[in-house]
Amino acid sequence: DTGVSQNPRHKITKRGQNVTFRCDPISEHNRLYWYRQTLGQGPEFLTYFQNEAQLEKSRLLSDRFSAERPKGSFSTLEIQRTEQGDSAMYLCASSLVGTARNEQFFGPGTRLTVL
Amino acid sequence: AQSVAQPEDQVNVAEGNPLTVKCTYSVSGNPYLFWYVQYPNRGLQFLLKYITGDNLVKGSYGFEAEFNKSQTSFHLKKPSALVSDSALYFCAVSVNAGNMLTFGGGTRLMVKP
Repeated sequence: DTGVSQNPRHKITKRGQNVTFRCDPISEHNRLYWYRQTLGQGPEFLTYFQNEAQLEKSRLLSDRFSAERPKGSFSTLEIQRTEQGDSAMYLCASSLVGTARNEQFFGPGTRLTVL
Repeated sequence: AQSVAQPEDQVNVAEGNPLTVKCTYSVSGNPYLFWYVQYPNRGLQFLLKYITGDNLVKGSYGFEAEFNKSQTSFHLKKPSALVSDSALYFCAVSVNAGNMLTFGGGTRLMVKP
């Protein structure tokens, strides 16, 4: 169990640019989640996957945001035409549903700064 | 819709004293309740959860939480606080195992020597 990893840890970009983040879940975890956390707030749900299927998307996930989990392992979150309001910490989590230990384990996050 | 309230932005306690961090929730159906802790520049770490069974749940690092259905609360407690417990604590709720979590706004715990 090597934990959830996220890359990059920090990303600074200019408004209007596209960015992509990667999340590697704990191996064999079947669910993968994306959350966004702004300073002084709790994390807010964005979307989650069961294996490669995207099961739910939040209203926060505008059409500029897209997430994929093509082979049911790692996931990417892309933000197109970034805006300053997109500046936040993007958190990834994974869980193994169907067992007693079904809590979500979080990665360290990717901090995005849009200038 | 589900929601979580953490009424205290900050809780201050002296080392060795008991601590309580409050959480109330609102959900349709039976709640799945969680506590996470966040240290600076680190991700959220799972502390404990309530799914069903005993109302008093024990978790990591000596923390425990009490589920109270009538008061829709899930307060986090520890009998004797340590300076190293100083961190940001989040309560979260879900309606099913594996579903999205809804978090409270967080409570900063400051333990002073």
